[in-house]
Amino acid sequence: KAGVTQTPRYLIKTRGQQVTLSCSPISGHRSVSWYQQTPGQGLQFLFEYFSETQRNKGNFPGRFSGRQFSNSRSEMNVSTLELGDSALYLCASSSGTGGKETQYFGPGTRLLVL
Amino acid sequence: AQTVTQSQPEMSVQEAETVTLSCTYDTSESDYYLFWYKQPPSRQMILVIRQEAYKQQNATENRFSVNFQKAAKSFSLKISDSQLGDAAMYFCAYRSGGGSNYKLTFGKGTLLTVNP
Repeated sequence: KAGVTQTPRYLIKTRGQQVTLSCSPISGHRSVSWYQQTPGQGLQFLFEYFSETQRNKGNFPGRFSGRQFSNSRSEMNVSTLELGDSALYLCASSSGTGGKETQYFGPGTRLLVL
Repeated sequence: AQTVTQSQPEMSVQEAETVTLSCTYDTSESDYYLFWYKQPPSRQMILVIRQEAYKQQNATENRFSVNFQKAAKSFSLKISDSQLGDAAMYFCAYRSGGGSNYKLTFGKGTLLTVNP
């Protein structure tokens, strides 16, 4: 099976712009979670989608939003970018059925905000 | 809210030796899962090992094993016969046992260096 893919891998934006990141989960997986990784704050949970519905949400401002499509692909959008949004954004996929199942991570999208 | 603490920002080990990475967590829940993830430089994060809180037996995966002390809320990772490929950032993570909760709470990580 192909792994989790994320596009683009690298992105440079300026303050005030918006950005959309994409995540394609492993085939058959219906849950996609998003994380922000920064040197200062570490890995922080953004949100999780399952069958096109947001099921869990972290403590991020409303500028961070997401959605999931019927094919389980997910997008994350950040509006009005700030310098502090510079980070590695990771997505993880799983079947979504709960229990001890593994979440598989993608390679990440590295966002630099200038 | 749950918290995960990794008290060792950096560790080093000689090739073929054994190293133990520490992790403690705080939770009031009785049903949860604990994970160790490995993130090599500029590469994807991968699962190393996981532990169900309801299982007393410590999990093992080849050269990787954990020491799970539920009462002490401690979850350390032991890497035996360390290899150069083990060099990476290691993250300890917690997940509630609720069926629809997929949020992972991570520690800050431990950077492991393996010396030849």
